[in-house]
Amino acid sequence: NAGVTQTPKFRVLKTGQSMTLLCAQDMNHEYMYWYRQDPGMGLRLIHYSVGEGTTAKGEVPDGYNVSRLKKQNFLLGLESAAPSQTSVYFCASTKLGYEQYFGPGTRLTVT
Amino acid sequence: AQSVTQLDSQVPVFEEAPVELRCNYSSSVSVYLFWYVQYPNQGLQLLLKYLSGSTLVESINGFEAEFNKSQTSFHLRKPSVHISDTAEYFCAVSRDFGNEKLTFGTGTRLTIIP
Repeated sequence: NAGVTQTPKFRVLKTGQSMTLLCAQDMNHEYMYWYRQDPGMGLRLIHYSVGEGTTAKGEVPDGYNVSRLKKQNFLLGLESAAPSQTSVYFCASTKLGYEQYFGPGTRLTVT
Repeated sequence: AQSVTQLDSQVPVFEEAPVELRCNYSSSVSVYLFWYVQYPNQGLQLLLKYLSGSTLVESINGFEAEFNKSQTSFHLRKPSVHISDTAEYFCAVSRDFGNEKLTFGTGTRLTIIP
């Protein structure tokens, strides 16, 4: 039982490049979330999903897109990366009545 | 909408001394409260949670937090800290348990001084 895993762990992009972050969970959780963590700002919710095929916007969704084609996977896409998207990205998952479980994070630098 | 305030961004404490990390929240509805811990270069782990019932909740590693509805607080305490407690601690609030969005505070970095 690997829990929540994230791919890749590190990435450096140039402004304007695109990329996709992958989150996978093997706990059969319905709900999945993408957060970004910036110094002094805590974690802020980007997008979330309450089930396969559904997504919703969080607090800071601009510049990101997501997809949940399979229950176990939640993808976060950056179509045209900007330096303001330099951050550590965390994925989390949960099922009703339980706390959120977090992945180890992806450190993204946009130059 | 709910919000969380962690008043201290950094707290240095001598080893074996007590510590309190402060958390205040605001919400127009009943909430669920959580403390998460983030060790260096890791993701967040749940430390403890308040859902209902006893206002004092405890973790397995000696931390405790008390829900105070009148003061809208959920402060985290430990009577004697260890070097291994060095981490960043996040208070979070949820309007609904499990499927609702968590709102996090900005975090408190706890540094233990040998």
